[in-house]
Amino acid sequence: SYVLTQPPSVSVAPGQTARITCGGNNIGSKSVHWYQQKPGQAPVLVIYDDSDRPSGIPERFSGSNSGNTATLTISRVKAGDEADYYCQVWDSNSDHPWVFGGGTKLTVL
Amino acid sequence: QITLKESGPTLVKPTQTLTLTCTFSGFSLSTIGVGVGWIRQPPGKALEWLALIYWNDDKRYSPSLKSRLTITKDTSKNQVVLTMTNMDPVDTATYYCTHRPSSGWYAHYWGQGTLVTVSS
Repeated sequence: SYVLTQPPSVSVAPGQTARITCGGNNIGSKSVHWYQQKPGQAPVLVIYDDSDRPSGIPERFSGSNSGNTATLTISRVKAGDEADYYCQVWDSNSDHPWVFGGGTKLTVL
Repeated sequence: QITLKESGPTLVKPTQTLTLTCTFSGFSLSTIGVGVGWIRQPPGKALEWLALIYWNDDKRYSPSLKSRLTITKDTSKNQVVLTMTNMDPVDTATYYCTHRPSSGWYAHYWGQGTLVTVSS
């Protein structure tokens, strides 16, 4: 089945830019979606279809996808952005169509 | 406003069958393209997709759990039910019900989740 690889952790100072990667074989040919999960809460969709933001998600959140890497970028990071972030794709070529990455813990220093 | 809520037992014994119900509002599961799915998360671990049922009753399951899972819908009640047989302590997790929009391959809305513990 398709595998998505995320770094376990990313650290960034407030006001800086955080970049969280999601690696997969030719992931650029797929649509990538990103979820934010704060402790004790359900995940929240923050980016869908590589770079679209759902209503209510700040413009500071953006996404890109090319080649073998998709990236979630969070600009002007705030303490409230500290959370786990998961990427997800739909793999039409497998029997396991919904695939999640292992998650990345974003720490705001 | 779309909402989903999971209900079911918080504790099951090993070998028992788990039955979870997702009750939703704000959308219809008879709308073309719409789906409702289940995703779980063991404590401290990553998300794991389990199953999805579409408006046309098409069903998809995680291959590793397919033999143990059944997903059904009752459109008139706005409910989706997931059953998982032969529960094991490794199945201890928070189980989430999710809404799949008609035009996307992602979980747009999530329920609050329900923690299911498998223990004798």
